[in-house]
Amino acid sequence: AQKVTQAQTEISVVEKEDVTLDCVYETRDTTYYLFWYKQPPSGELVFLIRRNSFDEQNEISGRYSWNFQKSTSSFNFTITASQVVDSAVYFCALSEAEEAAGNKLTFGGGTRVLVKP
Amino acid sequence: KAGVTQTPRYLIKTRGQQVTLSCSPISGHRSVSWYQQTPGQGLQFLFEYFSETQRNKGNFPGRFSGRQFSNSRSEMNVSTLELGDSALYLCASSLDLNQPQHFGDGTRLSIL
Repeated sequence: AQKVTQAQTEISVVEKEDVTLDCVYETRDTTYYLFWYKQPPSGELVFLIRRNSFDEQNEISGRYSWNFQKSTSSFNFTITASQVVDSAVYFCALSEAEEAAGNKLTFGGGTRVLVKP
Repeated sequence: KAGVTQTPRYLIKTRGQQVTLSCSPISGHRSVSWYQQTPGQGLQFLFEYFSETQRNKGNFPGRFSGRQFSNSRSEMNVSTLELGDSALYLCASSLDLNQPQHFGDGTRLSIL
């Protein structure tokens, strides 16, 4: 069975501070995908990134960066120089990579980020 | 390009009733998945459809059902509503299997 754990339920920072969200996962699959989604107050889940289990290179996209470490089963997400618009709930998720498994996502509990001006 | 459209946005029902929620995927997307989000259980997978066939089903009772039409639009139905069915129901679509999913704004269902 797959499991995703986001130990931080809520993080509060002041604007321009960096914030790192932790994500630890469990799976027996050898190939899998890891995701991060953002959920603003409107409710929609906004896709941020998908990583394949074979690709452990860190990725940077603007103020966002992701650190994937297979050895520790972690896929952490850092927001650099946070802004008020970053306030949202962030979800880490996992899915099998086999096509037969389809698109089923297993989500973590989410981390609420509050960025204060 | 229009995103995933879910209707209605809000719905209020009473126990014992049934409800149908609708989801129009992004144009060209063939896979549609449904998720339930509650404060207690978080985000949980309900089911996934691809080319009008259910490919995956989560651990929910038979009162929860769905279907997909030839134009990829999907509906989910919940019968004999219970208080615990109050939740945000999210629909997601993807171009194909094993492609990133894009979510709609959800339907917030309240059971009185």
